[in-house]
Amino acid sequence: AQSVTQLGSHVSVSEGALVLLRCNYSSSVPPYLFWYVQYPNQGLQLLLKYTTGATLVKGINGFEAEFKKSETSFHLTKPSAHMSDAAEYFCAVSGRYSSASKIIFGSGTRLSIRP
Amino acid sequence: SQTIHQWPATLVQPVGSPLSLECTVEGTSNPNLYWYRQAAGRGLQLLFYSVGIGQISSEVPQNLSASRPQDRQFILSSKKLLLSDSGFYLCAWSVISETPSSYNSPLHFGNGTRLTVT
Repeated sequence: AQSVTQLGSHVSVSEGALVLLRCNYSSSVPPYLFWYVQYPNQGLQLLLKYTTGATLVKGINGFEAEFKKSETSFHLTKPSAHMSDAAEYFCAVSGRYSSASKIIFGSGTRLSIRP
Repeated sequence: SQTIHQWPATLVQPVGSPLSLECTVEGTSNPNLYWYRQAAGRGLQLLFYSVGIGQISSEVPQNLSASRPQDRQFILSSKKLLLSDSGFYLCAWSVISETPSSYNSPLHFGNGTRLTVT
């Protein structure tokens, strides 16, 4: 079984500051990991995903995430926040031996950017 | 390119009334289709998924049902809405395949329907 925990339902950073959104997962099989972004009143959009290979994954809009198996983490970072990054971010996990129907989402982290 | 359409964008319905939300996908064939519900401050809850016409799997017991009358059409319904059915409903699709390489196929979401039951 898989589960996802996102630490912090709301994160606020200043424009230009580092963005760090935390995600820890639990999986009984090697995981596939995803980050999605949701802007107000819209659906979710894929930011990046980890499947196999390089543990540092780069996504759209300057975001990246690092898979750390020893820490069961997949934290999302961006070196310099922009006002347009204000949105809700969801971490998700699926098992390598299960179908896409078993993608499990975290409860989300709302990112606010201070001018 | 593939697109997903979901309507209506917003809906206000009284308790006990019926519901029909529609989702269609263009530009791909035989996709996996999904209905999720997003409640305020909570993550996404998978309600139904479908791997083909007429094939519906329900993830949680509830007041809702789903149907897939055509390959790229997915409908969420209820005969009598409850207050607890209020939420943001999202349709999504993904590539379908029996190979494990498809298990990391991302979900592509519609823009959602905000349902308020009064």
